[in-house]
Amino acid sequence: GENVEQHPSTLSVQEGDSAVIKCTYSDSASNYFPWYKQELGKRPQLIIDIRSNVGEKKDQRIAVTLNKTAKHFSLHITETQPEDSAVYFCAAIESGGGADGLTFGKGTHLIIQP
Amino acid sequence: GAVVSQHPSWVICKSGTSVKIECRSLDFQATTMFWYRQFPKQSLMLMATSNEGSKATYEQGVEKDKFLINHASLTLSTLTVTSAHPEDSSFYICSADPGLAANLYEQYFGPGTRLTVT
Repeated sequence: GENVEQHPSTLSVQEGDSAVIKCTYSDSASNYFPWYKQELGKRPQLIIDIRSNVGEKKDQRIAVTLNKTAKHFSLHITETQPEDSAVYFCAAIESGGGADGLTFGKGTHLIIQP
Repeated sequence: GAVVSQHPSWVICKSGTSVKIECRSLDFQATTMFWYRQFPKQSLMLMATSNEGSKATYEQGVEKDKFLINHASLTLSTLTVTSAHPEDSSFYICSADPGLAANLYEQYFGPGTRLTVT
């Protein structure tokens, strides 16, 4: 089955600086890579996703890059703001055509220092 | 659109009793729903895939006789934790896949159910 590794486990950055979170996956057949933001006690919220036929995707201050050869993908947040503080999870799906559950990384606690 | 609800949002039960958690897709039909468990300060772990009209598929290490899943309709899946024990205390979250061609694989999460077994 799929295995997703995520680093770092904790990331502290100054407000306005950029934050980068990295993930690697094991199954080369994986083809969908979402990123979720989760606040304490709340549901995970999809913030951006990327599919295997794309190398990079951007949505305002958030971007995701995918390197299929190396089997890693990264989340980039620019101009960080206090409300970006949360736990971020990467995930992967290896789909053979039917619906599949997500395999999550262990999460990164992002702390934005004022 | 694509709203998923869960009920109850939190529940406290005594050891040995059973608890049922409902997951509903409010504005779409979901052939497939997923159940995840999240222990404090940990990641989400897939427990099982719930398929409408057929048996659920359980992940390795998840006891199917302890975590009963029923997907009776295209908008409702239920998870019953049978003979609950304190170690079953966790945050249970469901998700649903609308199966949209425009957003393949995208899942929408419910708000979660906090289960505490005393």
